[in-house]
Amino acid sequence: AQTVTQSQPEMSVQEAETVTLSCTYDTSESDYYLFWYKQPPSRQMILVIRQEAYKQQNATENRFSVNFQKAAKSFSLKISDSQLGDAAMYFCAYGGNQFYFGTGTSLTVIP
Amino acid sequence: EAGVTQSPTHLIKTRGQQATLRCSPISGHTSVYWYQQALGLGLQFLLWYDEGEERNRGNFPPRFSGRQFPNYSSELNVNALELEDSALYLCASSLGLDTGGYQPQHFGDGTRLSIL
Repeated sequence: AQTVTQSQPEMSVQEAETVTLSCTYDTSESDYYLFWYKQPPSRQMILVIRQEAYKQQNATENRFSVNFQKAAKSFSLKISDSQLGDAAMYFCAYGGNQFYFGTGTSLTVIP
Repeated sequence: EAGVTQSPTHLIKTRGQQATLRCSPISGHTSVYWYQQALGLGLQFLLWYDEGEERNRGNFPPRFSGRQFPNYSSELNVNALELEDSALYLCASSLGLDTGGYQPQHFGDGTRLSIL
């Protein structure tokens, strides 16, 4: 069965610094997508970034980028120049035949 | 553009009752997903509908069921409510399977279901 693991329940970063959130997954499917979602305290889930498994190039969206290691089944999120508004719960998600979310990493941004 | 809307915002029930949660997708989206977010457990995938058909379901008992209407809105029904059903239920929508690949999901604010 597919699983998604986020091993860091909590992380903190100084404002303007860089932080990396870890995610690993397990799957036997060859065609799938990976996502990072952000859930601020207001609770609506927002898509941060998406990666297609068949693409070797790592996805980038402004200050957000991923390090996708398909063989290692690793999908980490790097947030550069962290801002106070980045504080939220971050979920790694797998989209294939079903959808799986990790348990989340709570990110605190320190002014 | 209106986002995914869910109703009600809060729902309080007692054990054994039945609950109905509703979701309206973003205009143009034909896929609807339901998730349960219990405290400390992250999101658990419940159901996926596309073009009116159930495409897949997560590891939940049959008392969790739903449907998708011709206008792509959806209902989640939970029968014989148990205390552990207390959770935030999130609905998400996306472009459909016919657009190719797995499209990003856009989430609603959720329905907080409390079982007394």
